[in-house]
Amino acid sequence: DADVTQTPRNRITKTGKRIMLECSQTKGHDRMYWYRQDPGLGLRLIYYSFDVKDINKGEISDGYSVSRQAQAKFSLSLESAIPNQTALYFCATSDQRGILNEQFFGPGTRLTVL
Amino acid sequence: TQLLEQSPQFLSIQEGENLTVYCNSSSVFSSLQWYRQEPGEGPVLLVTVVTGGEVKKLKRLTFQFGDARKDSSLHITAAQPGDTGLYLCAGDMDSNYQLIWGAGTKLIIKP
Repeated sequence: DADVTQTPRNRITKTGKRIMLECSQTKGHDRMYWYRQDPGLGLRLIYYSFDVKDINKGEISDGYSVSRQAQAKFSLSLESAIPNQTALYFCATSDQRGILNEQFFGPGTRLTVL
Repeated sequence: TQLLEQSPQFLSIQEGENLTVYCNSSSVFSSLQWYRQEPGEGPVLLVTVVTGGEVKKLKRLTFQFGDARKDSSLHITAAQPGDTGLYLCAGDMDSNYQLIWGAGTKLIIKP
């Protein structure tokens, strides 16, 4: 079984709709991240969380919100989706005990906003 | 703005050829990571380099960290179609737990 899972894998929605992307992990890591990937732009950090009570904004948090329901679960919400939020979204984890911040990614969610 | 520039952005070569991709910055990193991403999947960590001048080998892949810890290279010997993918570098500045990501090199190895 995959260590980091994301649901859904694909989603098509309309402008103005609320969308939630979910991430679960079995790696036992405290640190979790949400990224979006656009062609030619690499990975950009949306939000990150170092434990259940610690949530931090990343580089591009506007238009997004997150919830850390448990150590193993971190969800990303788009309150009112817009077309320029069409992208690949990745959840990642890293081990709080490690000093190298090596990250482990889920398979991604392809989101299309019409 | 902290940037990691990767070059080339795109590379298409024949099986058996050698290639090098680069990851450059004006910033100093405490460590640098290389990931490979295949279509429909998330990035997978290949290696982390930590010490200036460090060289690490992973089968036909050789990773080098620059002496000043501002740049890195990935050399592939005798490329195979299975090496096809997007190669991403990410630098850790050890200051806020966020990685600085390059935009990636898309590599295609033709049989």
